[in-house]
Amino acid sequence: AQKVTQAQTEISVVEKEDVTLDCVYETRDTTYYLFWYKQPPSGELVFLIRRNSFDEQNEISGRYSWNFQKSTSSFNFTITASQVVDSAVYFCALSERTYGGSQGNLIFGKGTKLSVKP
Amino acid sequence: NAGVMQNPRHLVRRRGQEARLRCSPMKGHSHVYWYRQLPEEGLKFMVYLQKENIIDESGMPKERFSAEFPKEGPSILRIQQVVRGDSAAYFCASSLQRLAVNTGELFFGEGSRLTVL
Repeated sequence: AQKVTQAQTEISVVEKEDVTLDCVYETRDTTYYLFWYKQPPSGELVFLIRRNSFDEQNEISGRYSWNFQKSTSSFNFTITASQVVDSAVYFCALSERTYGGSQGNLIFGKGTKLSVKP
Repeated sequence: NAGVMQNPRHLVRRRGQEARLRCSPMKGHSHVYWYRQLPEEGLKFMVYLQKENIIDESGMPKERFSAEFPKEGPSILRIQQVVRGDSAAYFCASSLQRLAVNTGELFFGEGSRLTVL
């Protein structure tokens, strides 16, 4: 069965520290997609990244970077030089390709609450 | 260029009452998805609708919950005879294309927080 595990419930760091949020997934399919979303205190969900299962290249976007390792079924997210504005709940999510098109079913982890203190 | 609009943002109901949550997708989007977030949990898929059609309702509870997306107007998630366990944040998302999940082009609203007393 599909499953996403974010083992870290809460992480607290001091500003400018680097922090890595872990995500481990389970899927039977060979074609799937992985996502990260940010949920700031205001409550909305902000899309951060999508990665398909055939693309194992790591990605960097400013202070954000993602490490996708198929061998360990992990898709970890690192924030470099964290800032107070990074404080939020971060969700990792998985979608398997559905023949004929997606049905909109994302499987979310329980989230990691990141607190960045000044 | 408004995003996905959900209202009300907060709703309080007593057990047995009905709750109606509305979602206006982004302009031009005809695909709407509802997710539920229980306290301290991740989001769980409920239903996927396209204009006037329910495409996938595999995540919807079998009783008391219904959803619609009429030709005109917002999508409505309706919960009849609410119980305390229905207390949660309900998120709506919309997309331009059907393959939204695979392309990552899924835009979420700010959620509607339902509290059942």
